[in-house]
Amino acid sequence: DGGITQSPKYLFRKEGQNVTLSCEQNLNHDAMYWYRQDPGQGLRLIYYSQIVNDFQKGDIAEGYSVSREKKESFPLTVTSAQKNPTAFYLCASSRSSGGLTYEQYFGPGTRLTVT
Amino acid sequence: AQSVSQHNHHVILSEAASLELGCNYSYGGTVNLFWYVQYPGQHLQLLLKYFSGDPLVKGIKGFEAEFIKSKFSFNLRKPSVQWSDTAEYFCAVSSSSNTGKLIFGQGTTLQVKP
Repeated sequence: DGGITQSPKYLFRKEGQNVTLSCEQNLNHDAMYWYRQDPGQGLRLIYYSQIVNDFQKGDIAEGYSVSREKKESFPLTVTSAQKNPTAFYLCASSRSSGGLTYEQYFGPGTRLTVT
Repeated sequence: AQSVSQHNHHVILSEAASLELGCNYSYGGTVNLFWYVQYPGQHLQLLLKYFSGDPLVKGIKGFEAEFIKSKFSFNLRKPSVQWSDTAEYFCAVSSSSNTGKLIFGQGTTLQVKP
C-alpha cells in the first residue's frame, strides 16, 4: 500500500519539551512538506524539502526544525521555542521532475497538544 | 506576497442544492491551482487541479472548477450536493516558478443537510 504515514495520531507534551513528529512515505516522491493546520487559518507551510539533505523554510518556520537524511523520511521537531505549538500537523509529499513539482499528497496528521 | 482568499467560511445547503465556493488569489505570474477536501476523520485529498489548458477542470465526485485569469479566481462548483459532501474545502495556489510551495486559503466548511 503506497502512502504517507504519520505517527502518532495524538501526542501530548509538557511545555518546555522538544518533540519530534515522524513522517514516512513510500511513494518514491522527491519532495516533502510540513504544514500546520489551525481552525479558520487553513494550512500554513512550516518547512519543505525538494531533495535529500536539503530543505527550505516555509512561512512559519520559527520554533521548528527538520532533517532530510533519507528520501522516505522527513521528521519535524517542535522545539520549546515555538510559542504556540498546540496544533494539527500535516505532512505531504509530491513527485518532482525537471525542476517542477506536482500535486501534493497528504498524511493523516498528528494532533499535538502541549500543556 | 501570494495569498489565497476563500469568501465563505461556513456554508449550509440542503441535499440537491447547487454549490459554488469562491476562491481568489493574488499573484501576478503564472499559477497552478488546486482544490483539496478534508472529509471528517479523513486525510486531506485532492479534488481537482489546474496546471494549464482548458480552464474548466473536472475533478472527482462530480466537482468542477473554472479558472478565470482576469478575475484571479478558481471557483469550485457542483450542480447537486449530497450529504456525503459534508467536509472542509481548501483552495490552494502555487506559482509555476516555485511549484513546491503551496499557499492555502482559510478553508470553507460545507454542511449538507439530508
